[in-house]
Amino acid sequence: DAKTTQPTSMDCAEGRAANLPCNHSTISGNEYVYWYRQIHSQGPQYIIHGLKNNETNEMASLIITEDRKSSTLILPHATLRDTAVYYCIGHSSGANNLFFGTGTRLTVIP
Amino acid sequence: SQTIHQWPATLVQPVGSPLSLECTVEGTSNPNLYWYRQAAGRGLQLLFYSVGIGQISSEVPQNLSASRPQDRQFILSSKKLLLSDSGFYLCAWSVSPWETQYFGPGTRLLVL
Repeated sequence: DAKTTQPTSMDCAEGRAANLPCNHSTISGNEYVYWYRQIHSQGPQYIIHGLKNNETNEMASLIITEDRKSSTLILPHATLRDTAVYYCIGHSSGANNLFFGTGTRLTVIP
Repeated sequence: SQTIHQWPATLVQPVGSPLSLECTVEGTSNPNLYWYRQAAGRGLQLLFYSVGIGQISSEVPQNLSASRPQDRQFILSSKKLLLSDSGFYLCAWSVSPWETQYFGPGTRLLVL
């Protein structure tokens, strides 16, 4: 699975869009970009994933660059409950392991 | 809809004691099941995964074992706990090995 690089921490004002970047320059053609988040003392929560095209669901949007070397997770209207550690993961089909790095600690500020 | 349960939520055990953590999944059949451990402030380490009843693959040599006695039940065990076994244990499931994994609430284990 590709190594991913994320900023250690970010702040976002409540109600504003949170844009979380991720670099995955070594991602291979069959690796999906997955995003999970982990609120303190809870299990990781799946957010969204994509391969090439941008994706949107009820939680977030995922923007993947055309060269697939980076992506951005967008929480359109951040709330205090979105405060968590966000993990960007490159995951290939057939691989059992999800490699969670250190992620980005997002703090939503009132 | 599918749900995944883990118990207990927290556990404090003395060194040398046995361990049994349970994970069950509802609302799906023949799921792929996973046990992960997360040390404090660190990422997740895959310990075991299972593609079916009685089928267990171990990712890392360790003091722990896993069993899958029923389709939707996954158990993590140890005969004698070590201090290094402390951590946050997470169970996850997926429809197939290459699809999205969904995690349970976790069990926090402290070995003293």
